[in-house]
Amino acid sequence: GIQVEQSPPDLILQEGANSTLRCNFSDSVNNLQWFHQNPWGQLINLFYIPSGTKQNGRLSATTVATERYSLLYISSSQTTDSGVYFCAVVTGGFKTIFGAGTRLFVKA
Amino acid sequence: EAGVAQSPRYKIIEKRQSVAFWCNPISGHATLYWYQQILGQGPKLLIQFQNNGVVDDSQLPKDRFSAERLKGVDSTLKIQPAKLEDSAVYLCASSPRGGPTDTQYFGPGTRLTVL
Repeated sequence: GIQVEQSPPDLILQEGANSTLRCNFSDSVNNLQWFHQNPWGQLINLFYIPSGTKQNGRLSATTVATERYSLLYISSSQTTDSGVYFCAVVTGGFKTIFGAGTRLFVKA
Repeated sequence: EAGVAQSPRYKIIEKRQSVAFWCNPISGHATLYWYQQILGQGPKLLIQFQNNGVVDDSQLPKDRFSAERLKGVDSTLKIQPAKLEDSAVYLCASSPRGGPTDTQYFGPGTRLTVL
């Protein structure tokens, strides 16, 4: 089946710093989403981005489907950005597969 | 618009006991998903319903797990009997149509501890 790998696994930032999170996937996919899981466990959809670039405030994402990777950019990080960021892909069979996540801690 | 509701939020049981979780999706959403998230890992899809039919249950341990979605709305996930390795957060999600372009909306989860 499709493999979804995220890097780095852990990231510690000083408030105000920028960061890039990466998601690699091993085969063509129908859909790619980025989620944020807050410290209380709630999963929130950030982007639906099977290809191209999208921006929402301090967050932006780029997916290069032909090269099978996606990047999530966080600019001017805030303590509220802390949590786990997941990449999830939807296969041709409409199955959703999550990566293992990047755990982000933003220090004040 | 109300979000995905799940209950209970927390459950502690002993191994070999039975447990059931309930999910109420966003009104009008055709597709409902159950995921298992073990500590430190990403969610793993257990079962996906389209209305009240099963689309995918390939990762559901059918010897002990069962799920149903009556009338295409609410759903229950049952574990009988529970094992220690079933300790995890069980997440329910819903989406409008279930197609590959759908956004999934997640509930708060049920944290299960098996002693």
